[in-house]
Amino acid sequence: EAQVTQNPRYLITVTGKKLTVTCSQNMNHEYMSWYRQDPGLGLRQIYYSMNVEVTDKGDVPEGYKVSRKEKRNFPLILESPSPNQTSLYFCASSLWGREMRETQYFGPGTRLLVL
Amino acid sequence: AQTVTQSQPEMSVQEAETVTLSCTYDTSENNYYLFWYKQPPSRQMILVIRQEAYKQQNATENRFSVNFQKAAKSFSLKISDSQLGDTAMYFCAFRISGGSNYKLTFGKGTLLTVNP
Repeated sequence: EAQVTQNPRYLITVTGKKLTVTCSQNMNHEYMSWYRQDPGLGLRQIYYSMNVEVTDKGDVPEGYKVSRKEKRNFPLILESPSPNQTSLYFCASSLWGREMRETQYFGPGTRLLVL
Repeated sequence: AQTVTQSQPEMSVQEAETVTLSCTYDTSENNYYLFWYKQPPSRQMILVIRQEAYKQQNATENRFSVNFQKAAKSFSLKISDSQLGDTAMYFCAFRISGGSNYKLTFGKGTLLTVNP
């Protein structure tokens, strides 16, 4: 089954404790992206990646890091989480370069609470 | 920069009736895509329908259709024969054509409740 998976689905942590949210897709997609969703703000892009070892900032990258060492994985790293990073996080992926047909597939979301 | 506006924070409709959700956007681009995503209580993001800006014909997917007015920069979603399972948050989204970033710009959402 074609899918984007995220782990963990729920996470409660404390300020300053480094954490990683994993994202994996099995569709051989080149493009992957992270969004955060906050009430009244919709979804905003954090980082994106066009392919292995190619990443760039989205609209709200502060406090986050990403890496793309393998095509299927795109982890989101919070080196020193703060309460303002409490949010619902989505990973998405799609084909790249064949944009007329691609659709972005979203993972199930990770709900993060930083105390 | 692109912006997407959904002017209706909440709407409700009776089961089996028709409802229209509004969306307007602002862009200086000529080639782009527009989307409606559905987010049910499970929080999953589900693509409902997609429209390519170069196409004049409005997209249709079963009970879902859009009214795309490019000159007015309007992209409304019509849901016919509403079902209880349509209850969800609906997001309008925009993406430019081309470029390296396939970023989706989302509106703030419209919470639709279908009443029995």
